[in-house]
Amino acid sequence: QKEVEQNSGPLSVPEGAIASLNCTYSDRGSQSFFWYRQYSGKSPELIMFIYSNGDKEDGRFTAQLNKASQYVSLLIRDSQPSDSATYLCAVISNTGGFKTIFGAGTRLFVKA
Amino acid sequence: EAGVAQSPRYKIIEKRQSVAFWCNPISGHATLYWYQQILGQGPKLLIQFQNNGVVDDSQLPKDRFSAERLKGVDSTLKIQPAKLEDSAVYLCASSTYREETQYFGPGTRLLVL
Repeated sequence: QKEVEQNSGPLSVPEGAIASLNCTYSDRGSQSFFWYRQYSGKSPELIMFIYSNGDKEDGRFTAQLNKASQYVSLLIRDSQPSDSATYLCAVISNTGGFKTIFGAGTRLFVKA
Repeated sequence: EAGVAQSPRYKIIEKRQSVAFWCNPISGHATLYWYQQILGQGPKLLIQFQNNGVVDDSQLPKDRFSAERLKGVDSTLKIQPAKLEDSAVYLCASSTYREETQYFGPGTRLLVL
């Protein structure tokens, strides 16, 4: 079982729709959760972080965390073609040290 | 505020040669990370420093890879000798502390022929 698992996609949504990206993790000791966006040929950049169960909203983005189910998601409302990128889920576990583990990423395409 | 700096941006070498990458983190960031990102995969943590001490290097192939962070500021990652499977982007990132947001440099694209 992969430590951080994401659907590789591609996920294709029309412009203006809601894109839903999901991530599961295996280590129950995980404490910090991040979503990064990576455009082709570029470095990852932070979209959102979440530490507590529930929802966290920032503009068009909402992160959702459910530690009991070991599940974190990212919703992108009113998707734009400029949102087309790979979205990486990152988890920091304090089991055996504060180690960052990235998922393989989900490719999102927003069709104009 | 200046971002994370890395050099070189691109490197092409032949297998069995050695190569070194340099990273200068954001000023004041105590934690520095080196990642390897193979095409189509997520970044894999190679080594994490807290100031000039190693926090985690469990996924660093120590028979060929080495890294140091002298004086707790900039860092170098070395590969000697390189293998074909080392072809990847090497990303350096830094954060104020180990649980905080990581800021990535532009990366070094390595091609081993």
